[in-house]
Amino acid sequence: GAGVSQTPSNKVTEKGKYVELRCDPISGHTALYWYRQSLGQGPEFLIYFQGTGAADDSGLPNDRFFAVRPEGSVSTLKIQRTERGDSAVYLCASSFSSDREAFFGQGTRLTVV
Amino acid sequence: AQKITQTQPGMFVQEKEAVTLDCTYDTSDPSYGLFWYKQPSSGEMIFLIYQGSYDQQNATEGRYSLNFQKARKSANLVISASQLGDSAMYFCAMSVNNDMRFGAGTRLTVKP
Repeated sequence: GAGVSQTPSNKVTEKGKYVELRCDPISGHTALYWYRQSLGQGPEFLIYFQGTGAADDSGLPNDRFFAVRPEGSVSTLKIQRTERGDSAVYLCASSFSSDREAFFGQGTRLTVV
Repeated sequence: AQKITQTQPGMFVQEKEAVTLDCTYDTSDPSYGLFWYKQPSSGEMIFLIYQGSYDQQNATEGRYSLNFQKARKSANLVISASQLGDSAMYFCAMSVNNDMRFGAGTRLTVKP
C-alpha cells in the first residue's frame, strides 16, 4: 500500500489476555517506530527498529511488552497478560531516514476490559 | 535520550492572526532533526515541517515556519494567517540517529 497500515484498527480484549498489533510500514522504510498515546497526551515512545533489529527498546514499560520485525518490514507488537492500564491508541510510524519525516498509521485503539 | 518540552498545554488565536507554539529540546548529539506534527480530532498525525540541526536557514512550508534558535535549543512553530481548520493538537518531535521522541503537545484553538 501507499501508507503505513495498522491492523486491527480497534481491539477489545479481556484483562489477562494476549494481544498482537500489526504494523505494515511503507516499502523501503528502514526505520519503524511504535508509540502509545493516551487521550490528550503526546505519543509515548515504546520501541524503534532499524531494519530487523530493535535499536532502542527503552520505552517498553515492562516485560509484558515485546515487539519483533523479523524480515525488516512488518512489525508486530505483542502484549501479554493485558491490564486495563494498557488501554490506549498504539501508533506505528516508519521513515526512510532521520532527516525525513515519519509517516504514521491510523493507529490501533486497544481497550482492555 | 533526547528530551522535548512543550510548555503550552493550550493556546487560543483569532482567525487570520499569527500564532507561535513553543518547543525546546535537549540533546548532546550535534546532529539531529526537529519536526512538527499536527493531530486533528480525527487522530491522524500530519507532518508539517522539518529542520535539520545543520540547516542555516529557518524552514518554511506555506503558512508554517520554524523559528530555529540553536543556541537556545528552541524550535518554535509559527503559523501565519490562522484558519479554523488549524484547530488541533500540535506536537514537536526530535530525531537523533533515527530515534524520534515527541513532546506533550499544545492544543491550538482558532476562534472565528
